[in-house]
Amino acid sequence: EVQLLESGGGLVQPGGSLRLSCAASGFTFSSYAMSWVRQAPGKGLEWVSAISGTGRSTYYGDSVRGRFTISRDNSKDTLYLEMNSLRADDTAIYYCAKIGTEVSATSYWYFDLWGRGTLVTVSS
Amino acid sequence: EIVLTQSPDFQSVTPKEKVTITCRASQNIGTSLNWYQQKPDQSPKLLIKYASQSISGVPSRFSGSGSGTEFTLTINSLEAEDAAAYYCHQSGSLPHTFGQGTKLEIK
Repeated sequence: EVQLLESGGGLVQPGGSLRLSCAASGFTFSSYAMSWVRQAPGKGLEWVSAISGTGRSTYYGDSVRGRFTISRDNSKDTLYLEMNSLRADDTAIYYCAKIGTEVSATSYWYFDLWGRGTLVTVSS
Repeated sequence: EIVLTQSPDFQSVTPKEKVTITCRASQNIGTSLNWYQQKPDQSPKLLIKYASQSISGVPSRFSGSGSGTEFTLTINSLEAEDAAAYYCHQSGSLPHTFGQGTKLEIK
């Protein structure tokens, strides 16, 4: 079955760190770029970060650049998001999403598979 | 950063009605525009890619059009199961961005 399963969310204090994981199955993981998208409670979707299939190219949204690091381990079919210097406005459900094309040009990217998400709460 | 502005923010509609949601981009993004549906307590689901290309398994009543800075998602003959939030997403320029969403309520 083609699926994505996120883990690693939880409650963390402001200024703290957390590492999210996304386990992929049912497709050739290394062939596809991957992304993280988040959704604050009751709010809309926000693009967070993306990484190419090889892992050599990474991209970040303005609100997380310099604090978050995306990475992947293609031998384990797993995507990661290392989050540092967390703030209250980082509180959200974090979704892992698969890019729907093997084309490397980012202008062709769209999300054809989403995980169920993992909740990150930043609060003292 | 490219800003996507959707209209309306909210719409209450009756079954079988035709619905049009607009997404305007602050810069030209060609056809690098995708649409997603998110039902309550569910993950988003891809509806339309590249502004107008249909997705396998998505009902044919969903269609998209537009290019450049103005895009439209049309739902013909609305069904009760279409109650959801709808989001446009641009990949024409980094960072990629989403519209603020349009919530559809079925009367």
